[in-house]
Amino acid sequence: DTEVTQTPKHLVMGMTNKKSLKCEQHMGHRAMYWYKQKAKKPPELMFVYSYEKLSINESVPSRFSPECPNSSLLNLHLHALQPEDSALYLCASSQDRGVEAVQPQHFGDGTRLSIL
Amino acid sequence: GDSVTQMEGPVTLSEEAFLTINCTYTATGYPSLFWYVQYPGEGLQLLLKATKADDKGSNKGFEATYRKETTSFHLEKGSVQVSDSAVYFCALSDSNYQLIWGAGTKLIIKP
Repeated sequence: DTEVTQTPKHLVMGMTNKKSLKCEQHMGHRAMYWYKQKAKKPPELMFVYSYEKLSINESVPSRFSPECPNSSLLNLHLHALQPEDSALYLCASSQDRGVEAVQPQHFGDGTRLSIL
Repeated sequence: GDSVTQMEGPVTLSEEAFLTINCTYTATGYPSLFWYVQYPGEGLQLLLKATKADDKGSNKGFEATYRKETTSFHLEKGSVQVSDSAVYFCALSDSNYQLIWGAGTKLIIKP
């Protein structure tokens, strides 16, 4: 079982809807991530939060709005999405970088998003 | 910039065959290296990792050794099972919370 929980597992929405994706981890990790993954491709990084502050935004369109209410939770608010935004959205978390090595990221099972 | 190159798939093997999935990288520093696996309809699972040269990561019968001299991190398993069918991603990370991913290799194991 994954230690990063994402809800919902599936989401279908129209282009005018507003919805939110949720992610939760209880591993004490202080870095959390949103990725977008298209079929048969590796994940593309969207946002990184470190200690609840946004540290990386990979030039993501403003129709995607991340939020980190506390160290265990990460949300992705969606508004006015386009059909090309249909994809698997993955959340991940990791320990902050250790002294000697980068810490691995742990992924949830994702939300499969379809835009009509 | 940093990059990861994986062998193209799909790789099709019979059950109990020996598996090798090649992964090579280019990096300016001394990255950590990872293999992730994605089963159909699921997210990514960390399969194994290595953080410095000559480290060997292992998990569930899979192994990979961090070879600095050949800049490689090839994934191996001695005897594959049908349940190993999945997409395997090689990745590296340097210092910015960012993973650099290979394109992924789809593995198909036939009974």
